[in-house]
Amino acid sequence: DGGITQSPKYLFRKEGQNVTLSCEQNLNHDAMYWYRQDPGQGLRLIYYSQIVNDFQKGDIAEGYSVSREKKESFPLTVTSAQKNPTAFYLCASTGTSGRGEQFFGPGTRLTVL
Amino acid sequence: GEDVEQSLFLSVREGDSSVINCTYTDSSSTYLYWYKQEPGAGLQLLTYIFSNMDMKQDQRLTVLLNKKDKHLSLRIADTQTGDSAIYFCALSSNTGKLIFGQGTTLQVKP
Repeated sequence: DGGITQSPKYLFRKEGQNVTLSCEQNLNHDAMYWYRQDPGQGLRLIYYSQIVNDFQKGDIAEGYSVSREKKESFPLTVTSAQKNPTAFYLCASTGTSGRGEQFFGPGTRLTVL
Repeated sequence: GEDVEQSLFLSVREGDSSVINCTYTDSSSTYLYWYKQEPGAGLQLLTYIFSNMDMKQDQRLTVLLNKKDKHLSLRIADTQTGDSAIYFCALSSNTGKLIFGQGTTLQVKP
């Protein structure tokens, strides 16, 4: 059963702590993306990676970091430098059809206490 | 850069048709997409249209593309309560990234 998984679904963090969100895909997709979604707003791109061992900053990369050591995995770390981290985080990957559509995971809701 | 605009809210009665609109500024996208997001979930790809097409129909969904006016629409026929969700239009870019609109919340009243 192919797809994108994100864990955990809900995450609580104390201020000043780093936290890592998991994103795994078994679709053999090369490109992967992290988005942040706030209520009433669209998706904002945090980081993306088009190939293993390479990634680029998106529109709101400050306070976040990523790694891409394996094709299947693209974890996102929310650092203590991110001033307003409470949000819904979505991971996506690009299909191999050539049409460029992205497929999304179920999301992780991060709440800073 | 590319700007994609959607109205924020649409309310319809069950059984009516819904039309969700999207306007954009850059006409270089090869593919344009519609996504659906149910509460607390990720985005689900509903349909897409190739930029050299004017219309695409898929069961209850009809996508219209007016390249001259840079306008994309999604029509849902016989709207059901299960269609209540946020709908996003998105455009492809030459960098591989997608450009998303802000999303339109569709409320379906029984």
